[in-house]
Amino acid sequence: NAGVTQTPKFRVLKTGQSMTLLCAQDMNHEYMYWYRQDPGMGLRLIHYSVGEGTTAKGEVPDGYNVSRLKKQNFLLGLESAAPSQTSVYFCASSYSAGGYGYTFGSGTRLTVV
Amino acid sequence: GESVGLHLPTLSVQEGDNSIINCAYSNSASDYFIWYKQESGKGPQFIIDIRSNMDKRQGQRVTVLLNKTVKHLSLQIAATQPGDSAVYFCAEVLSGGYNKLIFGAGTRLAVHP
Repeated sequence: NAGVTQTPKFRVLKTGQSMTLLCAQDMNHEYMYWYRQDPGMGLRLIHYSVGEGTTAKGEVPDGYNVSRLKKQNFLLGLESAAPSQTSVYFCASSYSAGGYGYTFGSGTRLTVV
Repeated sequence: GESVGLHLPTLSVQEGDNSIINCAYSNSASDYFIWYKQESGKGPQFIIDIRSNMDKRQGQRVTVLLNKTVKHLSLQIAATQPGDSAVYFCAEVLSGGYNKLIFGAGTRLAVHP
């Protein structure tokens, strides 16, 4: 019972490179989220999904794209990485929208140089 | 990870003492609050939650107090153990449409033997 799995765990990118972060959950949750966590700040929502085939913008969506082609997977893409996107990225899933039952992945540490 | 803890307030306690971690929230319309624990290199883990129609809720070794008058939450940990060392942060849930979670920046708890 893995819960929420994020890959990769670490990555170093050069400015302008692209990459995709993968989030997979095995709990049949409808809702999935991508957050970023920066030193001294709370988690900030990048994008979220309320079900397969749907996505929506969160607080800080610029520079990111997402896709939810399958219910269990939520992908976060960086088309042209910038140093300001250096952060720890967390994926989460939940069975409802009300903040209940959030399960977080273990994070992806991304450094853009 | 470790970088999350930079610039955060730190509470240092002796093993066996009680810990009180405080959080001020921003929106008087928030109707649900959650405390999370984040250990180094891991994702946030749910500790305890409380609805806005309650003042106090107890769990195993943890108690959350809610003061809506001054928009303040506290997390009390009884008989603090070394395994409690982590970053703790609160989240408030704003209802309506997509129920938005707003996360606080967190407090680092350091437990000394």
